[in-house]
Amino acid sequence: AQSVAQPEDQVNVAEGNPLTVKCTYSVSGNPYLFWYVQYPNRGLQFLLKYITGDNLVKGSYGFEAEFNKSQTSFHLKKPSALVSDSALYFCAVRDPMNRDDKIIFGKGTRLHILP
Amino acid sequence: GAVVSQHPSRVICKSGTSVKIECRSLDFQATTMFWYRQFPKKSLMLMATSNEGSKATYEQGVEKDKFLINHASLTLSTLTVTSAHPEDSSFYICSARVGLAVFTDTQYFGPGTRLTVL
Repeated sequence: AQSVAQPEDQVNVAEGNPLTVKCTYSVSGNPYLFWYVQYPNRGLQFLLKYITGDNLVKGSYGFEAEFNKSQTSFHLKKPSALVSDSALYFCAVRDPMNRDDKIIFGKGTRLHILP
Repeated sequence: GAVVSQHPSRVICKSGTSVKIECRSLDFQATTMFWYRQFPKKSLMLMATSNEGSKATYEQGVEKDKFLINHASLTLSTLTVTSAHPEDSSFYICSARVGLAVFTDTQYFGPGTRLTVL
């Protein structure tokens, strides 16, 4: 069965510093991976996805993520954090070996950018 | 990107009443919509998958008679919480999948509905 893990409940980063939000996954085949961001009392906003091709995926708001098959990871990164990046971040995975539409979400990582 | 709306954004109701939440895809047709429930400081729990013109597929443990889902058109799905009780209080989020490529197309999410049952 597919699963996704976000090992950190919270990440604190000073404004202007690079940030990383970690995500690892487990699937039967080649994964389809997603990152979403959620602001308080709002739905999820799509940031980026990896389906195939270049391991480094660039997304919205300057975020990028690197797919690492050997480490089964898909960490979210940004070179220079902004206070406005403070939010809840979800990693999600879909296993193409499963014959359904479902994507599985991690438990989320709260990112605090300190001014 | 694709826009998904939800209405209402917030609802407070008395125990025993029913509440309907609407989910609309504003600028695309969504053959498949999804309903999630999110508890405070928790991840999203998929409740059901809704396909236009057919019955919804409910996840294990989700009561289909309690959470009625209707997907009457390609742009509208509704979730009705019947005979709501305080334990049904939660943040309900819908999403819609763009396109017909099941595995590679992105899900876009609505802004969520905060339900409080007194």
